[in-house]
Amino acid sequence: DTAVSQTPKYLVTQMGNDKSIKCEQNLGHDTMYWYKQDSKKFLKIMFSYNNKELIINETVPNRFSPKSPDKAHLNLHINSLELGDSAVYFCASSKTFADTQYFGPGTRLTVL
Amino acid sequence: DQQVKQNSPSLSVQEGRISILNCDYTNSMFDYFLWYKKYPAEGPTFLISISSIKDKNEDGRFTVFLNKSAKHLSLHIVPSQPGDSAVYFCAASNNGKAAGNKLTFGGGTRVLVKP
Repeated sequence: DTAVSQTPKYLVTQMGNDKSIKCEQNLGHDTMYWYKQDSKKFLKIMFSYNNKELIINETVPNRFSPKSPDKAHLNLHINSLELGDSAVYFCASSKTFADTQYFGPGTRLTVL
Repeated sequence: DQQVKQNSPSLSVQEGRISILNCDYTNSMFDYFLWYKKYPAEGPTFLISISSIKDKNEDGRFTVFLNKSAKHLSLHIVPSQPGDSAVYFCAASNNGKAAGNKLTFGGGTRVLVKP
């Protein structure tokens, strides 16, 4: 069983489109995260949710909107996609905000 | 502004020998450090961690050393095995100091273990 899963694994789209990436964890964790790995391979946090409540919102364009329908899901919606949004996006979860984070397999987004 | 740095982008080591990966940080508020291992097309996998109240933590073939005064940590893998070939990320946080436990990652070191 996959602990943290993301869909889709690959996403290729045109500039200006709106797209969503879904994340689900079956670990019973309270906290979920979105990270972006850019072309220089740095992983940087974007958002963190604890019990469906937003607790970290890094300096991310407001075109990015996370949505947590329940504790097991944290989806990422991106409006008006730009070339610079091309990256690998990782979802992660932890039991609480102070515990070890477990990562999903990543979604490679390519904006043409 | 990179608060966590891994200055060696790659490392090649012979099977059975020791791999030493280094990580430096600048933020003195960091009090919890982790190493993650990443294979291609997969997400990072937690490997080992250390709290700032310790200077060493060992788990099987993996040992992490922390030098707080130098703001430096290292990961030792001994003996190295071909399956250890991966990218290793160092990460740091203010564990529990702020909600969300934001991890700050280094840029990674690619390790190649030659049979």
